[in-house]
Amino acid sequence: DIVMTQSPDSLAVSLGERATINCKSSQSVLYGSNDRNYLGWYQQKPGQSPKLLIYWASTREPGVPDRFSGSGSGTDFTLTINNLQAEDVAVYYCQQYFSLPYSFGQGTKLEIK
Amino acid sequence: QEQLVESGGGLVKPGGSLRLSCRASGFAFSDSYMNWIRQTPGKGLEWISHINSMGTTTYYADSVKGRFTVSRDNAKNSLYLQMDSLRDEDTAIYYCTRGVASDYWGQGALVTVS
Repeated sequence: DIVMTQSPDSLAVSLGERATINCKSSQSVLYGSNDRNYLGWYQQKPGQSPKLLIYWASTREPGVPDRFSGSGSGTDFTLTINNLQAEDVAVYYCQQYFSLPYSFGQGTKLEIK
Repeated sequence: QEQLVESGGGLVKPGGSLRLSCRASGFAFSDSYMNWIRQTPGKGLEWISHINSMGTTTYYADSVKGRFTVSRDNAKNSLYLQMDSLRDEDTAIYYCTRGVASDYWGQGALVTVS
């Protein structure tokens, strides 16, 4: 099974600054035949269901602000939130959908400093 | 507007059974791969099952294999999760989601085993 590990577990960032969340998979989630990384990022605000932000490691879902970006390949991935807004306070999860069982990282709690 | 609505959660004793339902609307349910994902305070998000669009292929996490059964009725735009032999550790919020990368989520159904 693929284990997903996020870092840090929590972080506090000032409004308008940049937040960076890392996700590492225990094995590559890059599918060679289509050159796609089977990696998604989700945002879960308090009291709400998770919401898909990014899929294929770097493709934003429609309607997601462009201050959210995903990068990385193979086993190492990053979610970057530029110009942090108050409404970005949430827990962020990465998930691999490369192989069963699909697995999530433990989550990173983002707060405002 | 795309929507998933779970129902059927509740309080059940260890060893008991419960059946969750998920009603879909606003998208082509019969063309969609569907999942069940659960969330507990201690273990975060855990993918537990999926089913292909025709309902012919299913997969389960080891934690629920042999106890839970996923099914669907495309004529009713509905997904189901039959949960048997429930344990304390199955206590969680259960979400139905669409797609390999879960782009639609329901509001969740709380299952308490106690």
